[in-house]
Amino acid sequence: EIVLTQSPGTLSLSPGERATLSCRASQSVSSSYLAWYQQKPGQAPRLLIYGASSRATGIPDRFSGSGSGTDFTLTISRLEPEDFAVYYCQQYGSSPATFGGGTKVEIK
Amino acid sequence: EVQLVESGGGLVQPGGSLKLSCAASGFTFSGSAMHWVRQASGKGLEWVGRIRSKANSYATAYAASVKGRFTISRDDSKNTAYLQMNSLKTEDTAVYYCTTIYCSGGSCVDYWGQGTLVTVSS
Repeated sequence: EIVLTQSPGTLSLSPGERATLSCRASQSVSSSYLAWYQQKPGQAPRLLIYGASSRATGIPDRFSGSGSGTDFTLTISRLEPEDFAVYYCQQYGSSPATFGGGTKVEIK
Repeated sequence: EVQLVESGGGLVQPGGSLKLSCAASGFTFSGSAMHWVRQASGKGLEWVGRIRSKANSYATAYAASVKGRFTISRDDSKNTAYLQMNSLKTEDTAVYYCTTIYCSGGSCVDYWGQGTLVTVSS
């Protein structure tokens, strides 16, 4: 199975700053079938990005995804207070689908 | 309004069985793949498995950690997906979510249930 490694584990930033989250796969992700999710405490995850770079319905354009092959990035251009959360990448191009371990974006 | 409502969670002894249900409404359930994802307390997300639609032969796939013990099924007439869990282990303790992704007009959105807690303990 494809192992996804997310870095850093925790990102401490201030509102208004730029956040760059990394997701590295142990082998190439088929057809860029890579998604990003946001999860806040006590809530179910929410899809942000699919197909490596397509924003899901209703997701603000400050969220962007890029990458291909084994290296993917989620960028939040200017952090809003509601963006402080845990972010997970997921590959769904190979079975079984797998999630990364998550990156927590916390207020500095 | 799209709704996914899980039920069937609870306390079970190691080696026991439990069947979770996910009742769907507000979208074309029969045409949608349904996934199960779990999350142990304070831990990350783990994909458990999925079942595709009738058009895709109801194909199933599972995480290595549950393969051979868990079975996903669906009843399109009841708009319900199921997760049958056998030979449960303490490490299966988690909140279990059902989820689906709906794509239309070039964009996609996901829907999740509220989650149901499964506790495996003696």
